[in-house]
Amino acid sequence: GNSVTQMEGPVTLSEEAFLTINCTYTATGYPSLFWYVQYPGEGLQLLLKATKADDKGSNKGFEATYRKETTSFHLEKGSVQVSDSAVYFCARRANTGGFKTIFGAGTRLFVKA
Amino acid sequence: DAMVIQNPRYQVTQFGKPVTLSCSQTLNHNVMYWYQQKSSQAPKLLFHYYDKDFNNEADTPDNFQSRRPNTSFCFLDIRSPGLGDAAMYLCATSRGAGQGGSPLHFGNGTRLTVT
Repeated sequence: GNSVTQMEGPVTLSEEAFLTINCTYTATGYPSLFWYVQYPGEGLQLLLKATKADDKGSNKGFEATYRKETTSFHLEKGSVQVSDSAVYFCARRANTGGFKTIFGAGTRLFVKA
Repeated sequence: DAMVIQNPRYQVTQFGKPVTLSCSQTLNHNVMYWYQQKSSQAPKLLFHYYDKDFNNEADTPDNFQSRRPNTSFCFLDIRSPGLGDAAMYLCATSRGAGQGGSPLHFGNGTRLTVT
């Protein structure tokens, strides 16, 4: 079936460190791929998305590239800030048919000053 | 700004006492969803409405019901809350069929406590 697998957390980094959070998805169909971020006590917010192979989504210094050959959508940021501390969810949604979004388990990021 | 609004932010109810959570949207999206989230785990889809069509997930307990009286509003009714139903409940919206690239728009959630 459809699924999303992302690296387990928590991930703890110092400010200005490089961030990678790995995400892989099942290749059924041609899904759109998303990263959502959840700050404490809030709902999820869209961080970035990519709708087809080789697309790069970017926002707030975060980037992720839709890699069909490796079925991956890894999240990267060159220099993290304390304010980036949150839980990050990778997700997929089919481009045809149903409406269900499949989420990964989430990766908690702590950034230390 | 167009948005998804959930009320209340915090809700305390007693074991077995019915409770209703509400969600409204100004995005005019076809699809509205209710998710349950525990301890920063992945949100778990309970059900969704595509316009007026209700779609229940197979593993959603009968204790959970939903109503969508119009495009803008959707309600989550928990008929007899148990201690295991304490969680954050998230409402989300999206565009519908053929719009796979359309992301989910979430409200800030209602945190339910069952005493």
